[in-house]
Amino acid sequence: AQSVTQLDSQVPVFEEAPVELRCNYSSSVSVYLFWYVQYPNQGLQLLLKYLSGSTLVKGINGFEAEFNKSQTSFHLRKPSVHISDTAEYFCAVIPTGGGNKLTFGTGTQLKVEL
Amino acid sequence: GAVVSQHPSWVICKSGTSVKIECRSLDFQATTMFWYRQFPKQSLMLMATSNEGSKATYEQGVEKDKFLINHASLTLSTLTVTSAHPEDSSFYICSATVTGTYNEQFFGPGTRLTVL
Repeated sequence: AQSVTQLDSQVPVFEEAPVELRCNYSSSVSVYLFWYVQYPNQGLQLLLKYLSGSTLVKGINGFEAEFNKSQTSFHLRKPSVHISDTAEYFCAVIPTGGGNKLTFGTGTQLKVEL
Repeated sequence: GAVVSQHPSWVICKSGTSVKIECRSLDFQATTMFWYRQFPKQSLMLMATSNEGSKATYEQGVEKDKFLINHASLTLSTLTVTSAHPEDSSFYICSATVTGTYNEQFFGPGTRLTVL
């Protein structure tokens, strides 16, 4: 079984400041990792994913994440946030060896302020 | 590509009535579709997994007779909330996946259900 922990339920940040949203996971098997963004009253949009290869993954809207296998982390970063980045962010994993159920974290509300 | 739609986007119904929500994969064939429920300011809770042409697999604690899922074709799955009650009010999201593409799920925009 897998579990995903997003320790920060809310992250307030000023516009143009950098931000990091933390994600740690636990799994007895190797996993693929994902970050999704959800705007109010909308579904989930994929920001980026790690499948294999380079541990630094770049996604849409200027976001990037780094997979750290030893620390079982997949933290999301953006060097300069905008008001439009205000949303809920979910980290998720799925086993690489089969099965198709995503395991989600509890989400982090990013609130960008002027 | 990989667009998933849901209809309706929002629905209000009276207690005791049934509501059907459609989930469609618009530009691909989805071998598996998932239904999630999301309460305000919470994560997504998987309700069931449906494969085309077979019965849905429900997660523990989800009432099969309450939430009827049909996956009649490779592009359409429906969720029917039967005899809805106010506690069924929630945001319902579907997703679709294609076997062989590292199981990435493509999400629909969600349906807001309000039961009066």
